[in-house]
Amino acid sequence: GAVVSQHPSRVICKSGTSVKIECRSLDFQATTMFWYRQFPKKSLMLMATSNEGSKATYEQGVEKDKFLINHASLTLSTLTVTSAHPEDSSFYICSAAPGGTQYFGPGTRLTVL
Amino acid sequence: GIQVEQSPPDLILQEGANSTLRCNFSDSVNNLQWFHQNPWGQLINLFYIPSGTKQNGRLSATTVATERYSLLYISSSQTTDSGVYFCAVTYSSASKIIFGSGTRLSIRP
Repeated sequence: GAVVSQHPSRVICKSGTSVKIECRSLDFQATTMFWYRQFPKKSLMLMATSNEGSKATYEQGVEKDKFLINHASLTLSTLTVTSAHPEDSSFYICSAAPGGTQYFGPGTRLTVL
Repeated sequence: GIQVEQSPPDLILQEGANSTLRCNFSDSVNNLQWFHQNPWGQLINLFYIPSGTKQNGRLSATTVATERYSLLYISSSQTTDSGVYFCAVTYSSASKIIFGSGTRLSIRP
Protein backbone atom coordinates (compact mmCIF):
# COMPACT_ATOMS: atom_id res chain seq x y z
CA GLY A 1 0.00 0.00 0.00
CA ALA A 2 0.85 3.67 -0.16
CA VAL A 3 3.15 5.12 2.49
CA VAL A 4 2.58 8.38 4.34
CA SER A 5 5.15 9.75 6.75
CA GLN A 6 4.94 12.45 9.40
CA HIS A 7 7.58 14.44 11.17
CA PRO A 8 8.15 14.91 14.02
CA SER A 9 6.55 11.97 15.78
CA ARG A 10 6.57 13.80 19.07
CA VAL A 11 7.09 17.43 20.02
CA ILE A 12 7.01 19.31 23.29
CA CYS A 13 6.94 23.09 23.19
CA LYS A 14 6.34 26.07 25.40
CA SER A 15 3.10 27.97 25.35
CA GLY A 16 3.14 30.76 22.77
CA THR A 17 5.50 29.11 20.32
CA SER A 18 4.59 27.79 16.87
CA VAL A 19 5.04 24.19 15.80
CA LYS A 20 5.24 22.83 12.26
CA ILE A 21 4.23 19.26 11.41
CA GLU A 22 5.13 17.75 8.05
CA CYS A 23 3.16 15.12 6.16
CA ARG A 24 4.76 13.43 3.16
CA SER A 25 3.55 10.93 0.62
CA LEU A 26 6.58 8.73 -0.04
CA ASP A 27 5.61 6.64 -3.06
CA PHE A 28 2.79 8.55 -4.69
CA GLN A 29 1.69 12.07 -5.48
CA ALA A 30 -1.13 13.59 -3.49
CA THR A 31 -3.04 16.63 -4.71
CA THR A 32 -5.16 16.35 -1.58
CA MET A 33 -4.21 15.48 1.96
CA PHE A 34 -6.25 15.50 5.15
CA TRP A 35 -5.42 16.60 8.68
CA TYR A 36 -7.07 15.09 11.75
CA ARG A 37 -6.94 15.68 15.44
CA GLN A 38 -7.48 13.00 18.05
CA PHE A 39 -8.02 13.60 21.77
CA PRO A 40 -7.21 10.81 24.24
CA LYS A 41 -9.63 7.90 23.95
CA LYS A 42 -11.64 9.74 21.33
CA SER A 43 -12.21 9.31 17.63
CA LEU A 44 -10.45 11.22 14.86
CA MET A 45 -11.86 14.59 13.95
CA LEU A 46 -11.23 15.98 10.48
CA MET A 47 -9.70 19.46 10.76
CA ALA A 48 -9.06 20.41 7.16
CA THR A 49 -8.46 19.26 3.62
CA SER A 50 -5.14 20.36 2.19
CA ASN A 51 -5.13 21.14 -1.54
CA GLU A 52 -1.92 21.36 -3.56
CA GLY A 53 -1.48 24.83 -5.01
CA SER A 54 -4.57 26.32 -3.41
CA LYS A 55 -6.05 27.20 -0.05
CA ALA A 56 -6.99 24.53 2.44
CA THR A 57 -10.61 23.81 3.23
CA TYR A 58 -11.30 23.95 6.95
CA GLU A 59 -14.05 22.13 8.80
CA GLN A 60 -16.56 24.10 10.78
CA GLY A 61 -15.17 25.26 14.10
CA VAL A 62 -11.51 24.95 13.13
CA GLU A 63 -9.61 28.24 13.30
CA LYS A 64 -7.73 28.72 10.05
CA ASP A 65 -5.46 31.36 11.58
CA LYS A 66 -4.58 29.00 14.37
CA PHE A 67 -3.91 25.97 12.23
CA LEU A 68 -2.06 27.06 9.09
CA ILE A 69 -1.92 24.53 6.29
CA ASN A 70 0.41 24.73 3.31
CA HIS A 71 0.45 22.17 0.49
CA ALA A 72 3.35 23.45 -1.57
CA SER A 73 4.16 20.29 -3.53
CA LEU A 74 2.52 17.05 -4.60
CA THR A 75 4.26 15.15 -1.82
CA LEU A 76 4.27 17.54 1.12
CA SER A 77 1.65 19.19 3.28
CA THR A 78 2.47 21.07 6.48
CA LEU A 79 0.34 21.98 9.48
CA THR A 80 1.58 24.84 11.65
CA VAL A 81 0.02 25.30 15.06
CA THR A 82 0.54 28.99 15.74
CA SER A 83 0.93 30.46 19.22
CA ALA A 84 0.31 27.06 20.74
CA HIS A 85 -1.44 26.75 24.08
CA PRO A 86 -1.94 23.73 26.38
CA GLU A 87 -5.42 23.12 24.93
CA ASP A 88 -3.76 22.50 21.55
CA SER A 89 -2.04 19.44 22.98
CA SER A 90 -3.29 16.49 20.98
CA PHE A 91 -2.43 13.74 18.51
CA TYR A 92 -2.37 15.07 14.95
CA ILE A 93 -2.64 12.66 12.02
CA CYS A 94 -2.51 13.24 8.28
CA SER A 95 -3.77 11.06 5.47
CA ALA A 96 -4.00 10.82 1.73
CA ALA A 97 -6.27 8.74 -0.46
CA PRO A 98 -4.64 7.57 -3.68
CA GLY A 99 -7.23 5.58 -5.58
CA GLY A 100 -9.86 6.23 -2.91
CA THR A 101 -8.34 4.20 -0.07
CA GLN A 102 -7.19 6.28 2.89
CA TYR A 103 -3.62 5.84 4.12
CA PHE A 104 -2.53 7.46 7.34
CA GLY A 105 0.71 8.83 8.65
CA PRO A 106 1.98 7.59 12.03
CA GLY A 107 0.82 10.74 13.78
CA THR A 108 2.45 13.54 15.76
CA ARG A 109 1.92 13.87 19.48
CA LEU A 110 2.02 17.54 20.47
CA THR A 111 2.40 18.57 24.09
CA VAL A 112 2.26 22.26 24.93
CA LEU A 113 3.56 23.19 28.35
CA GLY B 1 -24.12 15.33 7.92
CA ILE B 2 -23.75 11.59 7.98
CA GLN B 3 -23.63 9.83 11.36
CA VAL B 4 -21.40 6.83 11.95
CA GLU B 5 -21.97 4.79 15.08
CA GLN B 6 -20.01 1.82 16.33
CA SER B 7 -20.89 -0.82 18.89
CA PRO B 8 -19.96 -1.96 21.39
CA PRO B 9 -17.81 0.93 22.63
CA ASP B 10 -15.69 -1.43 24.72
CA LEU B 11 -15.11 -5.16 24.51
CA ILE B 12 -12.99 -7.35 26.79
CA LEU B 13 -12.35 -10.93 25.73
CA GLN B 14 -10.14 -13.85 26.58
CA GLU B 15 -7.53 -14.93 24.09
CA GLY B 16 -9.01 -17.37 21.59
CA ALA B 17 -12.51 -15.89 21.65
CA ASN B 18 -14.36 -14.60 18.60
CA SER B 19 -15.86 -11.11 18.32
CA THR B 20 -18.14 -9.09 16.10
CA LEU B 21 -17.89 -5.32 15.83
CA ARG B 22 -20.66 -3.32 14.23
CA CYS B 23 -20.73 -0.04 12.31
CA ASN B 24 -24.00 1.71 11.42
CA PHE B 25 -24.19 4.69 9.12
CA SER B 26 -27.08 7.05 8.52
CA ASP B 27 -26.84 7.65 4.77
CA SER B 28 -25.56 6.08 1.57
CA VAL B 29 -21.80 5.90 1.37
CA ASN B 30 -19.28 5.65 -1.45
CA ASN B 31 -16.71 3.85 0.59
CA LEU B 32 -16.25 2.20 3.96
CA GLN B 33 -13.01 1.22 5.59
CA TRP B 34 -12.08 -0.59 8.79
CA PHE B 35 -8.94 0.44 10.65
CA HIS B 36 -7.05 -0.84 13.66
CA GLN B 37 -5.29 1.80 15.74
CA ASN B 38 -2.42 0.25 17.62
CA PRO B 39 -1.21 1.42 21.05
CA TRP B 40 1.27 3.79 19.38
CA GLY B 41 -1.48 5.53 17.45
CA GLN B 42 -0.77 4.17 14.00
CA LEU B 43 -3.88 3.53 11.94
CA ILE B 44 -3.65 0.32 9.96
CA ASN B 45 -5.93 -0.41 7.03
CA LEU B 46 -7.86 -3.62 7.52
CA PHE B 47 -10.49 -3.56 4.82
CA TYR B 48 -11.74 -1.34 2.04
CA ILE B 49 -15.29 -2.64 1.81
CA PRO B 50 -18.11 -0.47 0.43
CA SER B 51 -20.16 -3.63 -0.06
CA GLY B 52 -19.91 -7.39 0.09
CA THR B 53 -17.64 -9.62 2.15
CA LYS B 54 -13.87 -9.87 2.40
CA GLN B 55 -11.57 -12.06 4.44
CA ASN B 56 -7.96 -11.69 5.46
CA GLY B 57 -6.70 -14.43 7.74
CA ARG B 58 -8.57 -14.34 11.05
CA LEU B 59 -10.37 -11.15 10.09
CA SER B 60 -13.33 -10.76 7.82
CA ALA B 61 -15.76 -7.94 7.10
CA THR B 62 -19.20 -7.65 5.60
CA THR B 63 -20.95 -4.49 4.45
CA VAL B 64 -24.65 -4.45 3.64
CA ALA B 65 -24.92 -1.08 1.95
CA THR B 66 -28.70 -1.24 1.45
CA GLU B 67 -29.19 -1.66 5.19
CA ARG B 68 -26.40 0.78 6.09
CA TYR B 69 -24.21 -1.34 8.30
CA SER B 70 -20.92 -3.16 8.31
CA LEU B 71 -19.57 -5.91 10.53
CA LEU B 72 -15.98 -6.80 11.39
CA TYR B 73 -15.35 -10.33 12.61
CA ILE B 74 -12.26 -11.33 14.52
CA SER B 75 -11.79 -15.03 15.13
CA SER B 76 -9.42 -16.75 17.57
CA SER B 77 -8.44 -13.42 19.13
CA GLN B 78 -4.83 -12.81 20.10
CA THR B 79 -3.43 -10.24 22.54
CA THR B 80 -1.96 -8.37 19.58
CA ASP B 81 -5.50 -7.73 18.35
CA SER B 82 -5.98 -5.30 21.24
CA GLY B 83 -6.48 -1.68 20.33
CA VAL B 84 -9.18 0.52 18.91
CA TYR B 85 -11.11 -0.44 15.80
CA PHE B 86 -12.62 2.33 13.69
CA CYS B 87 -14.92 2.23 10.76
CA ALA B 88 -14.86 5.26 8.50
CA VAL B 89 -16.94 6.28 5.52
CA THR B 90 -16.83 8.65 2.60
CA TYR B 91 -20.07 9.87 1.07
CA SER B 92 -21.50 11.95 -1.78
CA SER B 93 -18.80 13.60 -3.88
CA ALA B 94 -16.51 14.28 -0.94
CA SER B 95 -13.36 12.23 -0.59
CA LYS B 96 -12.93 13.21 3.03
CA ILE B 97 -13.53 10.51 5.55
CA ILE B 98 -15.82 10.49 8.58
CA PHE B 99 -14.88 8.23 11.48
CA GLY B 100 -17.08 6.31 13.83
CA SER B 101 -16.57 6.53 17.56
CA GLY B 102 -14.53 3.33 17.69
CA THR B 103 -14.60 0.04 19.59
CA ARG B 104 -11.87 -0.46 22.17
CA LEU B 105 -10.94 -4.14 22.19
CA SER B 106 -8.90 -5.69 24.99
CA ILE B 107 -7.76 -9.29 24.65
CA ARG B 108 -6.66 -10.87 27.92
CA PRO B 109 -4.11 -13.72 27.90
